[in-house]
Amino acid sequence: AQTVTQSQPEMSVQEAETVTLSCTYDTSESDYYLFWYKQPPSRQMILVIRQEAYKQQNATENRFSVNFQKAAKSFSLKISDSQLGDAAMYFCAYEEYGNKLVFGAGTILRVKS
Amino acid sequence: DGGITQSPKYLFRKEGQNVTLSCEQNLNHDAMYWYRQDPGQGLRLIYYSQIVNDFQKGDIAEGYSVSREKKESFPLTVTSAQKNPTAFYLCASSIGTGTSTDTQYFGPGTRLTVL
Repeated sequence: AQTVTQSQPEMSVQEAETVTLSCTYDTSESDYYLFWYKQPPSRQMILVIRQEAYKQQNATENRFSVNFQKAAKSFSLKISDSQLGDAAMYFCAYEEYGNKLVFGAGTILRVKS
Repeated sequence: DGGITQSPKYLFRKEGQNVTLSCEQNLNHDAMYWYRQDPGQGLRLIYYSQIVNDFQKGDIAEGYSVSREKKESFPLTVTSAQKNPTAFYLCASSIGTGTSTDTQYFGPGTRLTVL
């Protein structure tokens, strides 16, 4: 079974600084999708960024970018120019065939002003 | 307003009772999903449906049941057989094509507490 591991239970970053959240996964598939979701205190899950495994180019969405290392099965999220509104729980997720998502345990991100 | 709605936001249940959580979407999505979230943990898949009148068990289906009679609705029943039902429940939907444009979007969730 596929597993997703987020090794950092909690991270802190100073406002306007950059932070990287780590994620590794285990799969024998060659074609799949990876996601980062954000869950603020409201608990609404919000899609941050998506990466297709067959694409070598790392996905970018404004201040959010990923470092996708397929051979290492690593999918880290970089948040640049951190803002107070970025404070949330961040989940890494792997999508297997049939659109089923497997989630990591999450990383709490705290942003200091 | 297009989106996914879940009701109620908070639900209290006595032990031994069945309760049904509502999930409705007006995004015209074919696929719908139910996840459970426990404190400090990620989401775990309970049931999913890729088309009307069809659904499959996820990783933790025991003690739960679903129906998919309409495209826009995917209610989840938490039965008395579920040993530890207190949790946060999230519903999601997606186009269901399995392509690169297919992404799951989530509702606001229901917090279920067993008294």
